Amino acid sequence: SQTIHQWPATLVQPVGSPLSLECTVEGTSNPNLYWYRQAAGRGLQLLFYSVGIGQISSEVPQNLSASRPQDRQFILSSKKLLLSDSGFYLCAWSGYATGGPFEQFFGPGTRLTVL
Amino acid sequence: AQSVTQLDSQVPVFEEAPVELRCNYSSSVSVYLFWYVQYPNQGLQLLLKYLSGSTLVKGINGFEAEFNKSQTSFHLRKPSVHISDTAEYFCASNSGGSNYKLTFGKGTLLTVNP
Repeated sequence: SQTIHQWPATLVQPVGSPLSLECTVEGTSNPNLYWYRQAAGRGLQLLFYSVGIGQISSEVPQNLSASRPQDRQFILSSKKLLLSDSGFYLCAWSGYATGGPFEQFFGPGTRLTVL
Repeated sequence: AQSVTQLDSQVPVFEEAPVELRCNYSSSVSVYLFWYVQYPNQGLQLLLKYLSGSTLVKGINGFEAEFNKSQTSFHLRKPSVHISDTAEYFCASNSGGSNYKLTFGKGTLLTVNP
């Protein structure tokens, strides 16, 4: 079966500090990978998606970036955090392993607080 | 561009009462529809999905949804809710394509009161 991991689970960072959030998927190959953000009391905002190693598409221009150094690894980064970067960050994957590429499966999330 | 509208941001109900959470989507040649549930401080869990076939879809935890093409709706229902059903519910659609992005509604907070 497939599993998706995210770490850390919670993070408190000062404004202006760097960020690195990691997501890994097990039990499947060549998944599509996604990063979302949920601000308090708001819906899901798609930040980045990737259909393969080194292939990143950005949905919202901002001070965040994403990388996919390995097939099942997706990293969200920032060089300098802003207060507005606070939120709940979710990683998700989709693929043919479950019979179709359409639904996405989500990780447990990372709660980021920027002070 | 696709859009998904969840008509109610909050739905309070009493335990053991029936509930319907409403979702409308923008029409597309082909559409795939999903309902997700999110408990506090957790990721999203897939409740059910409509890809093709029968318009009545049954999911986990006793939930079901009906795909209505003429009304472009995909409402979620449960005949009798429990306290443990208190959570945020998201409707989502996907029109295919090579990246398989989902379009999410803004969510409905279901609160089940004793």
